[in-house]
Amino acid sequence: DAGVIQSPRHEVTEMGQEVTLRCKPISGHDYLFWYRQTMMRGLELLIYFNNNVPIDDSGMPEDRFSAKMPNASFSTLKIQPSEPRDSAVYFCASSLNSGDTQYFGPGTRLTVL
Amino acid sequence: KQEVTQIPAALSVPEGENLVLNCSFTDSAIYNLQWFRQDPGKGLTSLLLIQSSQREQTSGRLNASLDKSSGRSTLYIAASQPGDSATYLCAVRPGYNTDKLIFGTGTRLQVFP
Repeated sequence: DAGVIQSPRHEVTEMGQEVTLRCKPISGHDYLFWYRQTMMRGLELLIYFNNNVPIDDSGMPEDRFSAKMPNASFSTLKIQPSEPRDSAVYFCASSLNSGDTQYFGPGTRLTVL
Repeated sequence: KQEVTQIPAALSVPEGENLVLNCSFTDSAIYNLQWFRQDPGKGLTSLLLIQSSQREQTSGRLNASLDKSSGRSTLYIAASQPGDSATYLCAVRPGYNTDKLIFGTGTRLQVFP
């Protein structure tokens, strides 16, 4: 299996622009997670889905952030409008069942100027 | 609120040494605990998962122990190698009714030849 796939790997944008991050989980995995990693706050869970349904979005920082999972093989994390403080590495992870090991993608490094 | 701390923040050792990484958590009511490895510019790789009912897990040169009552876990690496150089993170799952992981601050390990 190719593992969790994320795109783009790097994104540089200007403040105010819309940013869309993409994730393809491992085939057959029912759970999908979005994390954000910064030097100041470490690794934080933003939102996770079970069978395409959002379960816990309490980590989503504000209304500028939204996540969707239209089908079992694709998810997006959108930031609109983006701000410099959104600069971070965003990881997507998936797991087969509840409580199982989470497999992480390589991450998307976002820089907002 | 669950908080996870790792000590030390950084560690540099010569090849061949046995070493211990520490993880502490403030709320002992956890469902499980995982240790991850993160290489620079890459995602996380799961190393070991310990259920709350278990005391330890082993994989090759790695051994992780869990003491729920004291809110502590240790990762023991035997006969360290330069290839072990990475950042090690522990993460706790707070309860059976959530798949959220709360990550520690990480320990950056360097093993020199």
